Amino acid sequence: AQRVTQPEKLLSVFKGAPVELKCNYSYSGSPELFWYVQYSRQRLQLLLRHISRESIKGFTADLNKGETSFHLKKPFAQEEDSAMYYCALSGSGAGSYQLTFGKGTKLSVIP
Amino acid sequence: NAGVMQNPRHLVRRRGQEARLRCSPMKGHSHVYWYRQLPEEGLKFMVYLQKENIIDESGMPKERFSAEFPKEGPSILRIQQVVRGDSAAYFCASSLGLMETQYFGPGTRLLVL
Repeated sequence: AQRVTQPEKLLSVFKGAPVELKCNYSYSGSPELFWYVQYSRQRLQLLLRHISRESIKGFTADLNKGETSFHLKKPFAQEEDSAMYYCALSGSGAGSYQLTFGKGTKLSVIP
Repeated sequence: NAGVMQNPRHLVRRRGQEARLRCSPMKGHSHVYWYRQLPEEGLKFMVYLQKENIIDESGMPKERFSAEFPKEGPSILRIQQVVRGDSAAYFCASSLGLMETQYFGPGTRLLVL
């Protein structure tokens, strides 16, 4: 069974401080990992996916297969980064369209 | 492109009533997915549909829940005889192709009294 764990329900950081949102996963094959973000009163939107290996809004995430992690990082937090962040996984093969989400981490950036 | 549309945004039902949730995918998208988010939980996959076909309903409760995506009109998630445990946020997503990015709607918050 596939599972995504986000250990922190809430993370508060000061503006300008580094941010790391943790995500660990459990999957027997080769997963695809995603980070979705939900700003206040907005819909869930894709922030980045590991196969793209791109940086969006200053955020990056590296898939670490050894540690089964896909932590989201940003060197300098901005107030507009305050949002709910969800890590998600899709498997390979049949049913790969099913996204499995973590419970989410609420990031609060303190001015 | 208006994005994925869901209505209503909020729905209140009494136990035993029926709930109908509608989802209009993004223009050109023929793949629709429904997810449910219980309080304090992550989104959980319920069902995947293409036009006029249910492809995978493995995440949907066997009783009281049904989904459709007709040739014309929005996708409908129907919950019959609702119970308090059905209170949740129901999200619809659509994609252009099977392994393409899923774009989410704003969700419908269902409250069962």
